[in-house]
Order: sequence, then C-alpha cells, then structure tokens
Amino acid sequence: GAVVSQHPSRVICKSGTSVKIECRSLDFQATTMFWYRQFPKQSLMLMATSNEGSKATYEQGVEKDKFLINHASLTLSTLTVTSAHPEDSSFYICSARMDPYEQYFGPGTRLTVT
Amino acid sequence: KQEVTQIPAALSVPEGENLVLNCSFTDSAIYNLQWFRQDPGKGLTSLLLIQSSQREQTSGRLNASLDKSSGRSTLYIAASQPGDSATYLCAGDDKIIFGKGTRLHILP
Repeated sequence: GAVVSQHPSRVICKSGTSVKIECRSLDFQATTMFWYRQFPKQSLMLMATSNEGSKATYEQGVEKDKFLINHASLTLSTLTVTSAHPEDSSFYICSARMDPYEQYFGPGTRLTVT
Repeated sequence: KQEVTQIPAALSVPEGENLVLNCSFTDSAIYNLQWFRQDPGKGLTSLLLIQSSQREQTSGRLNASLDKSSGRSTLYIAASQPGDSATYLCAGDDKIIFGKGTRLHILP
C-alpha cells in the first residue's frame, strides 16, 4: 500500500526558532500534498494544499509567511514553522494524493514550542 | 463552505454490540468520502473510501454507506471489539474536510 512518512515524529523547540517538518511519499508520486493541524481533542484542520512545482494554497486564517510550504518534488513536501510560538504547539499531519480520490496520511509530527 | 458534523461525539458500548456512527455534510454535493480511525496521539488510518459513483463500501466488520442526496454517511461496526476503541473521523470533499470525530470506547 501507499506509505507516507513524516520526519521528525516529535520535536521540541524554543520560542522564536524555526522548525522544518518533512513529508515524503515513499512508494508513489504525489501530485498533491496537504498539511493539517490538530490541537488536543480537536479535529484535524486543513492548513494548506500544495502541488509540486507551484505555490501552496493556504486556508483562510493560516499565515502563509509563518507556515512556509515547499513542495520540491513529487515525493517531498516540507512545512517550516517560522518564529515558532507556544501557541504553535500542535500535532501536524501531512497527506499525499496520487490519484483523484484517496489521500494517504503520514504518522504526524508533534511540535512543542517552549 | 463544507462543514462536517459527526454524531454522537462519544459512545461507549459493551463488547460484541453492533453500532452505527453518523456523519453529515452541509453541502450534499460531495465528491467522495473517507472514514478514518485515530488512536490517541497517533496519525490517521484510512478505513473505507466511498467514491462519488459508489453508495457503500465494506471491509471486514465495517460497512460505510453514503447518501449523497441527503449529505449523510454512516459507519456500521459489527460485533464490536475492545480493539475498535478509537476516534472515528469522516471526511468528505476534494480537500478532505474533517468532522470532529466520534470517540468510541468498547467496554470489555
């Protein structure tokens, strides 16, 4: 089956620093990747949609200058949280789509900003 | 804008019972629908995908149906087991908009 990996699985950083999260489709090429955020006991919220080679489309309320997304290849998308604040602490999940229908999700990255 | 509602928010049932989880959409013109489970602190596991041309999908003890005319989907779990305890999420549309989930607890 299609596998999506995320790295790191957990990261702790200090307030004001930047953190990069990688999302890779391991055995397929993903034309589209999605980034989600999940706060404790909340549902997943779509942050942005990225297509390989083009700029990401951000959902309303998501700061594009704070959450930098780069979809560099058909197997890799990165999310960089810039100037992280404690309120950015969350569970970040990516997904990748290789056909028009099904998305495959990564295992998630737990970010803690101290 | 598509919004997804899941009922109930939480459910506890004795082991062995059959149960139904509900999901509804504000925009009934959904393209496709997926059901997922999420274990505490973990990512998502896709359970069933119902494509736009389909009305239901079955996998083992799970059956999901989709009524596009009413914008509703149900997930039926037969003969529930303690290992089924998790949060179940439904998501529809092209970008996948999630409901808040149903926290299911199966009592041994």
